[in-house]
Amino acid sequence: QQQVKQSPQSLIVQKGGISIINCAYENTAFDYFPWYQQFPGKGPALLIAIRPDVSEKKEGRFTISFNKSAKQFSLHIMDSQPGDSATYFCAATPTNSGGSNYKLTFGKGTLLTVNP
Amino acid sequence: KAGVTQTPRYLIKTRGQQVTLSCSPISGHRSVSWYQQTPGQGLQFLFEYFSETQRNKGNFPGRFSGRQFSNSRSEMNVSTLELGDSALYLCASSLAVTGGGYTFGSGTRLTVV
Repeated sequence: QQQVKQSPQSLIVQKGGISIINCAYENTAFDYFPWYQQFPGKGPALLIAIRPDVSEKKEGRFTISFNKSAKQFSLHIMDSQPGDSATYFCAATPTNSGGSNYKLTFGKGTLLTVNP
Repeated sequence: KAGVTQTPRYLIKTRGQQVTLSCSPISGHRSVSWYQQTPGQGLQFLFEYFSETQRNKGNFPGRFSGRQFSNSRSEMNVSTLELGDSALYLCASSLAVTGGGYTFGSGTRLTVV
């Protein structure tokens, strides 16, 4: 059972363009939604995370948009650069003490290529 | 501040052998979790430990086991290795008691031949 669905599988964007990656979840107990960036040969690095009490969070060129009613969230990378070329994973987990399961459920990943 | 350290970085083992992987969490982090990453299955949760207690376990066979020491360092063991166990094994640590804020190490690349 895939509880977090991520799309697209791959994405090609021109330098300076906007990259958009979407995720949808099923478990309403999820209340922490991080995005990870992974380069070949490295572990996933936390980019940005959001909780459902806000609809948007921005850190530099990276923005998470969150739609609680639709159970969807997305990552926007503004002014995409070749150095952003990596695999991006969305994830989700419940963190309240009554329902925490102490694990991240990941999407399948999106391979982003930013052409110069 | 040192990150999550995993050793060794690379391992080649023969089918049927066993292997032990090590993870040192960020100082002060008491939660350590393990994930298996493969091209086909993506990132899959193995288990999580907090203060030497396993709090959750993923859907992996009993050949996969782990433990956590009093200094929060963790090890995972895979016995009777199979070709399908070839993967990147990732360790993550967290400061949060109830989850979230996971920082990953660079992983151990295990190849079973």
